[in-house]
Amino acid sequence: SQQGEEDPQALSIQEGENATMNCSYKTSINNLQWYRQNSGRGLVHLILIRSNEREKHSGRLRVTLDTSKKSSSLLITASRAADTASYFCATGLSGNTPLVFGKGTRLSVIA
Amino acid sequence: DVKVTQSSRYLVKRTGEKVFLECVQDMDHENMFWYRQDPGLGLRLIYFSYDVKMKEKGDIPEGYSVSREKKERFSLILESASTNQTSMYLCASSAGGRGTDTQYFGPGTRLTVL
Repeated sequence: SQQGEEDPQALSIQEGENATMNCSYKTSINNLQWYRQNSGRGLVHLILIRSNEREKHSGRLRVTLDTSKKSSSLLITASRAADTASYFCATGLSGNTPLVFGKGTRLSVIA
Repeated sequence: DVKVTQSSRYLVKRTGEKVFLECVQDMDHENMFWYRQDPGLGLRLIYFSYDVKMKEKGDIPEGYSVSREKKERFSLILESASTNQTSMYLCASSAGGRGTDTQYFGPGTRLTVL
């Protein structure tokens, strides 16, 4: 049951530029989370934003949530080569349903 | 730090073999999950467990079973491996009583079925 859908599927930028990834979803959510996955590894949690929050920051990461449009964006500022990875959004629905992950955005940061 | 470990990073098995993938977490988490990840398909939930001896089917349980005899350990079993089960398998755990909490992932097992 795919809920979140990231856009774009792939993104290539120069080091120092900002990277923006978007996530759209279909049903009401309890929270939305962003994860990073380096090639061939497990996912690492980056940030969680609750449905009653509109914006959240963590270091160079900024996440926004627009529940009226059912969308979220992840902004990575001043990107580095080490930010090269796939980024997934995951929606936390109501009740006890497990997180539903999107298919991810593949980010390449070129030095 | 939460640590989730998986028994193997790489595994090669033959068609028809019984395969066990083990996952252990060290943070006393209630919830554990098994996913498979394939190119272009993202993460798909196979099975999950919110308590010892409890299991729930995810989106793609066919061909798999699970076992959770102890809180810290969640095993994924392929009763008779097939080539279409070649994939990356990811285990995750989360605290609390809700499935929407933050998940902590293991490093993954890349399984090849010949």
